Amino acid sequence: AQKVTQAQTEISVVEKEDVTLDCVYETRDTTYYLFWYKQPPSGELVFLIRRNSFDEQNEISGRYSWNFQKSTSSFNFTITASQVVDSAVYFCALSGPRGAGGTSYGKLTFGQGTILTVHP
Amino acid sequence: SQTIHQWPATLVQPVGSPLSLECTVEGTSNPNLYWYRQAAGRGLQLLFYSVGIGQISSEVPQNLSASRPQDRQFILSSKKLLLSDSGFYLCAWNGGSGNTIYFGEGSWLTVV
Repeated sequence: AQKVTQAQTEISVVEKEDVTLDCVYETRDTTYYLFWYKQPPSGELVFLIRRNSFDEQNEISGRYSWNFQKSTSSFNFTITASQVVDSAVYFCALSGPRGAGGTSYGKLTFGQGTILTVHP
Repeated sequence: SQTIHQWPATLVQPVGSPLSLECTVEGTSNPNLYWYRQAAGRGLQLLFYSVGIGQISSEVPQNLSASRPQDRQFILSSKKLLLSDSGFYLCAWNGGSGNTIYFGEGSWLTVV
């Protein structure tokens, strides 16, 4: 069974601080996909990144960066120089590979989410 | 470009009443479609998924059902709502293996 753990329930920082959101996953699949989504107060889930299990390169997109380490089953998310607009709930999610009938991919297992509050 | 919409955005329904939430994807064909629910406590749980018209798979036993009458339409229904059905319902789609999974705006359901 798959499992995603986001140990940090809530994080509070002051604007311009760097913040790292932790994500640890468990899976028996050798091929899998990891995601991060942002959920602002409006409720919709905003896609941030998708990473497959064969690509361990870290990725940077503006103030966002992701550190994927298969050895520790972690996919951590760092926001540099945080801003008030970054305040939201952030979810890490895990999907299996394309299985028989192509249905495993897309069946996401979510972590419980981390509430990030950035104060001005 | 592809877009996904779901409605209604907000719904308040009495216990025992029926439910119909609709999700439509535009700009793509033969998408995989999903219904997720986010109950209090923030966790998201997969309820149903569909790989084609009329093909529905349920992930958890519940008071809800899903249907896919058209290629890009996914409907979540209930004949009689329970208080425990309250939550935030999200429709999602992807174009196949390796593609990004996108979510709709969500529907807030309160059963009173």
